[in-house]
Order: sequence, then structure tokens, then C-alpha cells
Amino acid sequence: GAVVSQHPSWVICKSGTSVKIECRSLDFQATTMFWYRQFPKQSLMLMATSNEGSKATYEQGVEKDKFLINHASLTLSTLTVTSAHPEDSSFYICSATLRAGYGYTFGSGTRLTVV
Amino acid sequence: GIQVEQSPPDLILQEGANSTLRCNFSDSVNNLQWFHQNPWGQLINLFYIPSGTKQNGRLSATTVATERYSLLYISSSQTTDSGVYFCAVVSTSYGKLTFGQGTILTVHP
Repeated sequence: GAVVSQHPSWVICKSGTSVKIECRSLDFQATTMFWYRQFPKQSLMLMATSNEGSKATYEQGVEKDKFLINHASLTLSTLTVTSAHPEDSSFYICSATLRAGYGYTFGSGTRLTVV
Repeated sequence: GIQVEQSPPDLILQEGANSTLRCNFSDSVNNLQWFHQNPWGQLINLFYIPSGTKQNGRLSATTVATERYSLLYISSSQTTDSGVYFCAVVSTSYGKLTFGQGTILTVHP
């Protein structure tokens, strides 16, 4: 149990365009999902917490207008990178937990390249 | 927020060797996980171990919560063990999963 699916696995987009990444909990309901970003040879940094039915909460330094998060159902959270620029190129990965006291499961990640 | 320090940052082994990776954390935790990140970026959960000892095949882990550290043991290493190993914790005061900087493991045949 506790499978998280993420799509797409990789995407290349032109500078100035927007890209949407989907994160789904396949076999459980997730009221909360988390979005992380990882630059090459670095660790994972939490960007935001996605809350079903309410606004996401963003970590300090993360632009909420650039990284739009929508959590419209208990099994789907989306991250939209708006007006993407080359510096937004990174590995984005989502996670969720089945319940308190249970570990976190991660999606397979999305490698975004902005050209 | 909580500080998570992993050591060593890099580790190079010959196939068949044993190794120990360490994770120190600066606050009380109610969740600690060890992950292996493969070359494609996938994070594989190895252990959910906020306290105690667990074993899974050639891997085992021990967390001493009162002393704020965890150890990951890899025995009889294989080339497929190569990758980055992350420790991640949820502190009691900051309820979000925070990652250490990772240990890059390279196992040579």
C-alpha cells in the first residue's frame, strides 16, 4: 500500500511557458501532500505543503505565484510552474503519508528542463 | 528548524565490503527514514525507524532516539547499492520531513 504516482517523468519546455506536474495517491487518500525540489548533487528541499480543499503553505523563499499548487481531491495534487525560466530547471518530487506514524512515500519525480 | 547531518559525505567501497552510514539530528523526532536514491532519481524507502533496530536482508538500521542518531549498515555491498543514501526526519517541533545532505556511495566491482 501507499503508492504515489507522479507524471510526467520528464519535461522540456520553452522559457516563458507553464508546466503542470501531477501527483496521485493510488491506493490511499492523502489530505496532505508535499512538494520537494532537488538541484543536481544537492539534497531535497521542501517547497510547499499541499492541503486538500485549502490553500497550500509555502516554505520561506518559495514564490507562491510561480509555483501554483492545487489539491482539489484526496488523491490528486498538482504543481504548476508558471512562466518557467532556465533557473527553474530541477528535479521536482512529491510525497504523501498514509497516516501519522507511517513513513512517507515518494513519487518517481519529474525532471524539468527549461530551454 | 531541525539540523540533520550525515556522514561520511562520500564513500567508495569494493564489492563485498561492509559499511556504516551515520545520521545525527538536533531535535527529538517522531519519524526517521532512510532512503536510497537511484540514478534515475527514484527515492526508495529502506527503513521507517524512529527508534530501535530493523533488518532487511543485507541492510539494517538502528536509531538511538535519546542520543539523536541513526546508523545504516550495509553488508556485503554490491554494485547495485551505489547511489545516494538520505536520512530524513520529522521533528516533534517541526512536523515536516527534513532531509540530510546525503551520503554518496560508490561500489566498485
